[in-house]
Amino acid sequence: AQSVSQHNHHVILSEAASLELGCNYSYGGTVNLFWYVQYPGQHLQLLLKYFSGDPLVKGIKGFEAEFIKSKFSFNLRKPSVQWSDTAEYFCAVTRSSNTGKLIFGQGTTLQVKP
Amino acid sequence: EAGVTQFPSHSVIEKGQTVTLRCDPISGHDNLYWYRRVMGKEIKFLLHFVKESKQDESGMPNNRFLAERTGGTYSTLKVQPAELEDSGVYFCASSFGLFNTEAFFGQGTRLTVV
Repeated sequence: AQSVSQHNHHVILSEAASLELGCNYSYGGTVNLFWYVQYPGQHLQLLLKYFSGDPLVKGIKGFEAEFIKSKFSFNLRKPSVQWSDTAEYFCAVTRSSNTGKLIFGQGTTLQVKP
Repeated sequence: EAGVTQFPSHSVIEKGQTVTLRCDPISGHDNLYWYRRVMGKEIKFLLHFVKESKQDESGMPNNRFLAERTGGTYSTLKVQPAELEDSGVYFCASSFGLFNTEAFFGQGTRLTVV
């Protein structure tokens, strides 16, 4: 089935460790790609997005993601995590053929230990 | 500028009762989406309004769910009668355009059916 897959459901890191969260999608055609984050007790907010152009996109709080079309991937990275990065992270896709609805991955819970 | 607001933030109801969730989108956003996250699962699309019209309701689980957006402003999602499997977090999002655009999310309504 067509879907969005996040490789890790739960990640535990120490502060200053590097982070990479995997995301793969299985849709052909033109897609827009997003990473959303939900901090404890807060609403979903956009970390970064890719629409077109440079496949390496930079978002808020030092996050970046790379779109690799040949691999249908959009992995999220951060060189050095902080305790405040503890949150749940969601990869999502919209397709040009649909009405802007987001198709989400399962989410990855990141716990950063101080 | 006010963000997307949802009311209530939490609701606990008994099986068979009725619950109405409300979403106020960002002013000027014609597109309004409802999503749901059942515990342990991914966030799933329910339906999409463009102004007051239902553009896509392919994600609505069954006819116990009724969504409205009178006047193209706020939206309500009514569950009648509620079943245990309706428990989850209901998110609302709004956006200005359809593609190449960002959706803004509310904080969600946590619905528990007991």
